[in-house]
Amino acid sequence: AQSVTQLGSHVSVSEGALVLLRCNYSSSVPPYLFWYVQYPNQGLQLLLKYTSAATLVKGINGFEAEFKKSETSFHLTKPSAHMSDAAEYFCAVSDYFSGTYKYIFGTGTRLKVLA
Amino acid sequence: DTGVSQNPRHKITKRGQNVTFRCDPISEHNRLYWYRQTLGQGPEFLTYFQNEAQLEKSRLLSDRFSAERPKGSFSTLEIQRTEQGDSAMYLCASSPTGEGVNTEAFFGQGTRLTVV
Repeated sequence: AQSVTQLGSHVSVSEGALVLLRCNYSSSVPPYLFWYVQYPNQGLQLLLKYTSAATLVKGINGFEAEFKKSETSFHLTKPSAHMSDAAEYFCAVSDYFSGTYKYIFGTGTRLKVLA
Repeated sequence: DTGVSQNPRHKITKRGQNVTFRCDPISEHNRLYWYRQTLGQGPEFLTYFQNEAQLEKSRLLSDRFSAERPKGSFSTLEIQRTEQGDSAMYLCASSPTGEGVNTEAFFGQGTRLTVV
């Protein structure tokens, strides 16, 4: 079965510092991976997706993620944190094997940005 | 705005009452999903529609829950005899077919249910 694990339920960084949010996946087939962001009482917004075309994926708001098969990881990074980045971030894998393409989400990482 | 629309945004109900939520997906999106999200957790899959056909249901979806998509457009999720454990954010998402594994799901803003 496919799954994702997000290490660190809470991450705090200073404004301007590097953001690193960790995601490891487990999949018996080539995974298709996504990062979503959720602001309080809002739905989820796609940040970026890995579609096997390139291992380094660039997304919105300056975020990027690198797919590393050897490490089964898809960590999310941003060179310089902004106050507006404070939110909850979810890594997800697409269960395309079942034919539904439903997402299987991690438990999320809440990012706090300190002034 | 042509995104996924969910109504109501908030619902407070007494235990034992029935509630119904509505989701209007992005026009022409064939796939529609319902997820449930509890505090501090990631969204959990509940059910999936391809057009009007309900093709998968999670074991989380007890017999008190029912979902429909009668004409392959909007969908409803009904919870009968609500329990306090049903309190959660209910998220709807839609995506187009024909794009295979690269399909991106678009989420609505959710309906927050509080059972008192």
